[in-house]
Amino acid sequence: DQQVKQNSPSLSVQEGRISILNCDYTNSMFDYFLWYKKYPAEGPTFLISISSIKDKNEDGRFTVFLNKSAKHLSLHIVPSQPGDSAVYFCAASRESGYALNFGKGTSLLVTP
Amino acid sequence: GAGVSQTPSNKVTEKGKYVELRCDPISGHTALYWYRQSLGQGPEFLIYFQGTGAADDSGLPNDRFFAVRPEGSVSTLKIQRTERGDSAVYLCASSLSMDETQYFGPGTRLLVL
Repeated sequence: DQQVKQNSPSLSVQEGRISILNCDYTNSMFDYFLWYKKYPAEGPTFLISISSIKDKNEDGRFTVFLNKSAKHLSLHIVPSQPGDSAVYFCAASRESGYALNFGKGTSLLVTP
Repeated sequence: GAGVSQTPSNKVTEKGKYVELRCDPISGHTALYWYRQSLGQGPEFLIYFQGTGAADDSGLPNDRFFAVRPEGSVSTLKIQRTERGDSAVYLCASSLSMDETQYFGPGTRLLVL
């Protein structure tokens, strides 16, 4: 059973525009959420995280929003750059440091 | 500093053989995790260690899979009697302690023929 779902396998955005990647989860015990970015033939790279006590966390061009009642989170990238083209994984755990549950990923393509 | 390293980067074996995959965590990281990523899927949790002990091995698919971390640093994932369905990228991650961010290695791509 997939507890973390990324329903968009791919997304294409023009350079300079906003990229919005979405993620839904089903397990109400999850209280720590992360986004990882992955390039081909490399391991996932940590991007940004948020705990359930917050509804927004920002780091430079990256902002993660959490809507606990809807069990939904999103990653906003503004402005998008061609170097952002990668697969983005949403992950969740019941506490920070415990086993991560990943979605299937969304492949983002940022075109010049 | 150096990140998480995994060896080998690629491993091809025949069905029924035994394989060992190695993970060197970031120096000083006490927590170590193994995940498996099949084609088109996200990483799936296998096992994690806090120090030398396996704190949670609930993700290991069956008793053909075993992992050790005898000195609390390097870890080895061992797969006995490999099956074609074991073909995947095996990812290792480490964190400074259990409540810190997990940092991933590049993975070992295992192909069972």
